[in-house]
Amino acid sequence: QQPVQSPQAVILREGEDAVINCSSSKALYSVHWYRQKHGEAPVFLMILLKGGEQKGHEKISASFNEKKQQSSLYLTASQLSYSGTYFCGTPHLGSGTYKYIFGTGTRLKVLA
Amino acid sequence: SAVISQKPSRDICQRGTSLTIQCQVDSQVTMMFWYRQQPGQSLTLIATANQGSEATYESGFVIDKFPISRPNLTFSTLTVSNMSPEDSSIYLCSVANLSGRATDTQYFGPGTRLTVL
Repeated sequence: QQPVQSPQAVILREGEDAVINCSSSKALYSVHWYRQKHGEAPVFLMILLKGGEQKGHEKISASFNEKKQQSSLYLTASQLSYSGTYFCGTPHLGSGTYKYIFGTGTRLKVLA
Repeated sequence: SAVISQKPSRDICQRGTSLTIQCQVDSQVTMMFWYRQQPGQSLTLIATANQGSEATYESGFVIDKFPISRPNLTFSTLTVSNMSPEDSSIYLCSVANLSGRATDTQYFGPGTRLTVL
């Protein structure tokens, strides 16, 4: 049930690009992306809705393919501040219930 | 977004004791959740704190071990009972104002780092 992210970890040099993938076995209505720096709480980055809409935050963008039940996060010209662990999250809406499931996480380290 | 505080920020406890973690929000919110994050791992939902009724627990978490209260729309507590070293983790409170749409977003408190000896 937990979305699977790939890669598990990636190391970049400043200015390089990276792609983080999030794949779910269940139908997705939306995908949320968070970044967590070491010792801090996760911070909301962006939300992707049905329709393949792309969103942007800084030089970070994302896409959502609801047919494939996948989302991808694109980090362009990475900066040192991008280091952290990235999580995708998906809401699960039931009859009178709501819960939120986070992906397995991707650790990103940007080197100078 | 709401401003969320948690107390304590960290604690070191002895095996067999209990710790209560508080989560305070600066505005009324529809939903409050409690997560556990073990070192290097993702976030695992413990339960949804329901205002005025019993919390809704996820599989693997029980009320006797993790009693939760939510007396109003801005405050909740999580107690970790009869602790063992396996309970050492970061406990995070999160909140959301739900409209029933897929755009509803969660925001997190700073977390409580618990170490059990």
